[in-house]
Amino acid sequence: GESVGLHLPTLSVQEGDNSIINCAYSNSASDYFIWYKQESGKGPQFIIDIRSNMDKRQGQRVTVLLNKTVKHLSLQIAATQPGDSAVYFCAERTEGSQGNLIFGKGTKLSVKP
Amino acid sequence: DTGVSQDPRHKITKRGQNVTFRCDPISEHNRLYWYRQTLGQGPEFLTYFQNEAQLEKSRLLSDRFSAERPKGSFSTLEIQRTEQGDSAMYLCASSFGTGFDYGYTFGSGTRLTVV
Repeated sequence: GESVGLHLPTLSVQEGDNSIINCAYSNSASDYFIWYKQESGKGPQFIIDIRSNMDKRQGQRVTVLLNKTVKHLSLQIAATQPGDSAVYFCAERTEGSQGNLIFGKGTKLSVKP
Repeated sequence: DTGVSQDPRHKITKRGQNVTFRCDPISEHNRLYWYRQTLGQGPEFLTYFQNEAQLEKSRLLSDRFSAERPKGSFSTLEIQRTEQGDSAMYLCASSFGTGFDYGYTFGSGTRLTVV
């Protein structure tokens, strides 16, 4: 089975609202996490990353929260815009691995105008 | 150098034919990865290189698949005797690794359709 998964396969929000996309991981040895955005027909686009020695990291309109106790990762998007509509993936890398990322299935975010 | 480049963007081939894809990573990135993504799924790791050395191959990479990175810069992924199950998006990514990798950047992918 996959060690990275998502609680909700689809998420629909109103333009201007905040979005929260969740991700559960099972490998407590994972030391690095990345959120990617993928639009139809394109490759994954890096959004934000976080190392396991951090709990929170902020970017422009995005915040990633890491809760190692419950092995949970979330991506918060502030003031969601129609251009944020895409599939969002979390990916983890296991400490001591050769560096490859393990992805979950993704959450499709739809923003209603 | 603005990102990871992949060529071609789309490839349609008949079953049994060989295909080759190319990836040009970000120039200062020493690690290069190949992933495969099928519809509705997240990318799955295939193989990766550190400079010119291929250091790991997934069990997904059957004997029909071969990847090279001869000079530690661009890489090619060849699929021999293609099968319909090979239809997928093939993604290349690169990163900078000197103990702690970061900056995993993906290309736009090559979409392969085997008919």
